[in-house]
Amino acid sequence: ETGVTQSPTHLIKTRGQQVTLRCSSQSGHNTVSWYQQALGQGPQFIFQYYREEENGRGNFPPRFSGLQFPNYSSELNVNALELDDSALYLCASSDKTGGIFNEQFFGPGTRLTVL
Amino acid sequence: AQSVTQLGSHVSVSEGALVLLRCNYSSSVPPYLFWYVQYPNQGLQLLLKYTTGATLVKGINGFEAEFKKSETSFHLTKPSAHMSDAAEYFCAAFRNNAGNMLTFGGGTRLMVKP
Repeated sequence: ETGVTQSPTHLIKTRGQQVTLRCSSQSGHNTVSWYQQALGQGPQFIFQYYREEENGRGNFPPRFSGLQFPNYSSELNVNALELDDSALYLCASSDKTGGIFNEQFFGPGTRLTVL
Repeated sequence: AQSVTQLGSHVSVSEGALVLLRCNYSSSVPPYLFWYVQYPNQGLQLLLKYTTGATLVKGINGFEAEFKKSETSFHLTKPSAHMSDAAEYFCAAFRNNAGNMLTFGGGTRLMVKP
């Protein structure tokens, strides 16, 4: 069973640029959630995708957007990067069956640095 | 809005001593509760979870936590700390009608002294 994978592991961008982060969910999982973890803080929920539709969103501006593909992998896109976007971005996959929550499995994260 | 508070951003114990990491949640309806561990440059690993049923939950690596509704707490304990327990620990809560998100506490860094 393959776990959650994320790419790239590290990324350096400059202010104003755009970035795309990728996540492959664990086999059999249909739900992907994205979290932002700033240095020294707990992860903050960005949004969740279930069967290719956004299924919940945290307090993040519209320049944070996402996609989920038919194979349940996902992308996180951030436009007009700001210095405060520097963080570890975590992807988590889970299996939502019949509305019942199942454990979220986290990937190793992508470390984004905005200069 | 639901929130999770972890008391103590840093906790230091000696090897072999009791580990106690504190977590309180604010919610009129008890959420599902979780403890995660994060080692440097890694993602989050689930230690244990409480959903329903028995309030004393046992997890991996000898950790356990007790859900106390009257105190809105879910403190993490381990009888005897090991050097390998040094890491960042996060308490998190989930409610199905709260945007389907995990709400995390700020984290507690556990240091284990030899």
